[in-house]
Amino acid sequence: AQSVTQLGSHVSVSEGALVLLRCNYSSSVPPYLFWYVQYPNQGLQLLLKYTSAATLVKGINGFEAEFKKSETSFHLTKPSAHMSDAAEYFCAVSDRNAGNNRKLIWGLGTSLAVNP
Amino acid sequence: DAGVTQSPTHLIKTRGQHVTLRCSPISGHKSVSWYQQVLGQGPQFIFQYYEKEERGRGNFPDRFSARQFPNYSSELNVNALLLGDSALYLCASSGTVNTEAFFGQGTRLTVV
Repeated sequence: AQSVTQLGSHVSVSEGALVLLRCNYSSSVPPYLFWYVQYPNQGLQLLLKYTSAATLVKGINGFEAEFKKSETSFHLTKPSAHMSDAAEYFCAVSDRNAGNNRKLIWGLGTSLAVNP
Repeated sequence: DAGVTQSPTHLIKTRGQHVTLRCSPISGHKSVSWYQQVLGQGPQFIFQYYEKEERGRGNFPDRFSARQFPNYSSELNVNALLLGDSALYLCASSGTVNTEAFFGQGTRLTVV
């Protein structure tokens, strides 16, 4: 069964430092890959997605992620952290062969803290 | 355009009661999915509906049920509520071709 692993349940960085949030998937066929952000007491907002085009995907708020098939990874990065980036980040996958049965499988999330 | 809307935003119920949560998808979206997010964890898939038919079901007991209406809105019903059902219930809609799911703000259910 498809699964998603997010390494590090908590990540803390200084303002202006590089943000790196890790995500690995388990699938022989590369799935669709997503990163979502969740601010306290709010729903999930899509940061970026990988479907089948360029392996380096740029998203909102300066985030980007690179799909690496050989490593089955889709790590999220941002060159310079901002205080407003503090939130919970979720990696999710869906089976590209699922047609209209588009169930998302989620990682457990990584809580990002940004220190002044 | 309105995004995914869920109602109510907050709800308090007692054990054993029944609850109905509602979701209106983005206009034109025919797929609706429901997720349960317990505090401190990632979302867990409950149901997916497409064109009013159930297309997927997660590992949840039969106390959980859902349906989708002709206008593609959806309801999630939970019977015989347990304390462990306390969670944020998220609804997501997606179109036919685009796999991107758009989420509502969720319904915070507290069972006491």
